[in-house]
Amino acid sequence: EVQLVQSGAEVKKPGESLKISCKGSGYGFTTYWIGWVRQMPGKGLEWMGIIYPRDSDTRYSPSFQGQVTISADKSMSAAYLQWSSLKASDTAMYYCAGLANYGGKIDYWGQGTLVTVSS
Amino acid sequence: DIQMTQSPSTLSASVGDRVTITCRASQSISNWLAWYQQKPGKAPKLLIYKASSLESGVPSRFSGSGSGTEFTLTISSLQPDDFATYYCQQYHNWYTFGQGTKLEIK
Repeated sequence: EVQLVQSGAEVKKPGESLKISCKGSGYGFTTYWIGWVRQMPGKGLEWMGIIYPRDSDTRYSPSFQGQVTISADKSMSAAYLQWSSLKASDTAMYYCAGLANYGGKIDYWGQGTLVTVSS
Repeated sequence: DIQMTQSPSTLSASVGDRVTITCRASQSISNWLAWYQQKPGKAPKLLIYKASSLESGVPSRFSGSGSGTEFTLTISSLQPDDFATYYCQQYHNWYTFGQGTKLEIK
């Protein structure tokens, strides 16, 4: 069974750094693209970016370029979403998503990681 | 950027009703459209892909249609488990979600 399991909820202060993870199992991790989706409180879904763990080919939505870093570690079967300096506006639920094909539908979702940024 | 606009934003309906949600793209996306269902506190769930293909395990009361710029999701007979928020997503050129349609109990 394919599973994407995300790291647990985080509470951080503005200006702090953070790296959350998405660990894949039940399939060849390097064969799926991993995307990240933001959902701010009470709002809709926003596509942030995507990575191909096999070669770390990474692409970002314009509004997230430079704001976050997406990376992957094949040896850990994990993808990551990272902030160097959090803002209160980064408070949101973040989902990872698995795609069999670039430019294809989302086949699998992680359970989500809630990030709260508050002083 | 391709913009996706869903209507209505909120829909009130009763168990047994037939409901339709519309999604419009700002330019042609052929049939590269998916529909997702999301319940509070849960990850979205894929219902329909390639505009009209039913994902395995999804009840047949869900159906999708359309191509180009206009698409619909239809639930033929609402069940209590269907009250949720629905999102369309284009994957023709990058990825964009609609703003969502909340389906409420009347």
